[in-house]
Amino acid sequence: QKEVEQNSGPLSVPEGAIASLNCTYSDRGSQSFFWYRQYSGKSPELIMFIYSNGDKEDGRFTAQLNKASQYVSLLIRDSQPSDSATYLCAAGFRDDKIIFGKGTRLHILP
Amino acid sequence: GAVVSQHPSRVICKSGTSVKIECRSLDFQATTMFWYRQFPKQSLMLMATSNEGSKATYEQGVEKDKFLINHASLTLSTLTVTSAHPEDSSFYICSAPRGAGGIFTDTQYFGPGTRLTVL
Repeated sequence: QKEVEQNSGPLSVPEGAIASLNCTYSDRGSQSFFWYRQYSGKSPELIMFIYSNGDKEDGRFTAQLNKASQYVSLLIRDSQPSDSATYLCAAGFRDDKIIFGKGTRLHILP
Repeated sequence: GAVVSQHPSRVICKSGTSVKIECRSLDFQATTMFWYRQFPKQSLMLMATSNEGSKATYEQGVEKDKFLINHASLTLSTLTVTSAHPEDSSFYICSAPRGAGGIFTDTQYFGPGTRLTVL
């Protein structure tokens, strides 16, 4: 069973602080991992993807992958109110399927 | 701009009717497309994989006779919700991988979604 687990939150973070979002996955066959941001009533938009152990940075975002622990995280530096959204962690497989976690609601406090 | 479109964006129908949702890749061909369903405050649940020129493959628990999928061309997949009931009210989203796809699918594009309300 392919599963992706996330804490549903809400996670409240002061503006300007670092938001840390975490995710675990069950299937070691997962090849790639994604973080999507979803605003209410909208489709998810890709923030980052990662497939190698370690860190990957893109602007204010850093994705971290630890395959041994089956753990993925997303750090958002200098959090802005516009970062308030639901963040979906997802695992990708060779057949192009993507399995999503339930998402973590992030609230940036002005 | 958008690379995957969905139509309609919103639909309201009476219980017992059928609703067709279209998913189009706008400037690329997609031999595979995916259909998801999302209930309020829930995550996206993969319903089925739409395969161009062959039968769709459905995830466990999804009724293939209720959710008919047709992928008749390389740019169009349709999802038909047959005999819709209020419990089918949901946000339906399609996605398509662009290019070679494979495991490094940073180029999987999502449609804007279709909000279905069954009265």
